[in-house]
Amino acid sequence: NAGVTQTPKFRILKIGQSMTLQCTQDMNHNYMYWYRQDPGMGLKLIYYSVGAGITDKGEVPNGYNVSRSTTEDFPLRLELAAPSQTSVYFCASSYPERGWEQFFGPGTRLTVL
Amino acid sequence: KQEVTQIPAALSVPEGENLVLNCSFTDSAIYNLQWFRQDPGKGLTSLLLIQSSQREQTSGRLNASLDKSSGRSTLYIAASQPGDSATYLCAVPIQGAQKLVFGQGTRLTINP
Repeated sequence: NAGVTQTPKFRILKIGQSMTLQCTQDMNHNYMYWYRQDPGMGLKLIYYSVGAGITDKGEVPNGYNVSRSTTEDFPLRLELAAPSQTSVYFCASSYPERGWEQFFGPGTRLTVL
Repeated sequence: KQEVTQIPAALSVPEGENLVLNCSFTDSAIYNLQWFRQDPGKGLTSLLLIQSSQREQTSGRLNASLDKSSGRSTLYIAASQPGDSATYLCAVPIQGAQKLVFGQGTRLTINP
């Protein structure tokens, strides 16, 4: 299994541009999450999903949108990029039968200039 | 509101030492606690998951303990090696979809 994969690894955006961060997992996990990590800080939850077609906001959802059309994919959309969205973005997934252990992707490093 | 604190923020020790990393949380009604390792510029690797009914978990040279009543967990690393140098994060889930709340991490440096 590849686990949780994310693309792209790096991206530089100009203010006002839009982009989608891709996340895919091949473990058949129902639960998926998007976190952001700012320098020297812990991770904060942006959005999460408990299954296909069901999403909800986390702690810092402003400026982002998500969709979940399949179990495998959970893309994160930035509509109007702002410098405050410069961060490293991590996608994760979990499953009750694994004791809710969360598995993380390698991250996407985004810079907004 | 659940808050997770890790002390110290940074730790530097010589190779071979045994060491303890601390994690505290404000709401003791947790389902589990997870310890992660993060290397510079990389993602998070799950090290240990302790369920609320457990007191400790072991994996190789790592041992994690959990004391829910006092809101504390410790990660014990035996016979530290330079390859253990990384940031160690602890996290606890919030009810409902098990969303994780993270500590800010302890940056560990093992000096040869």
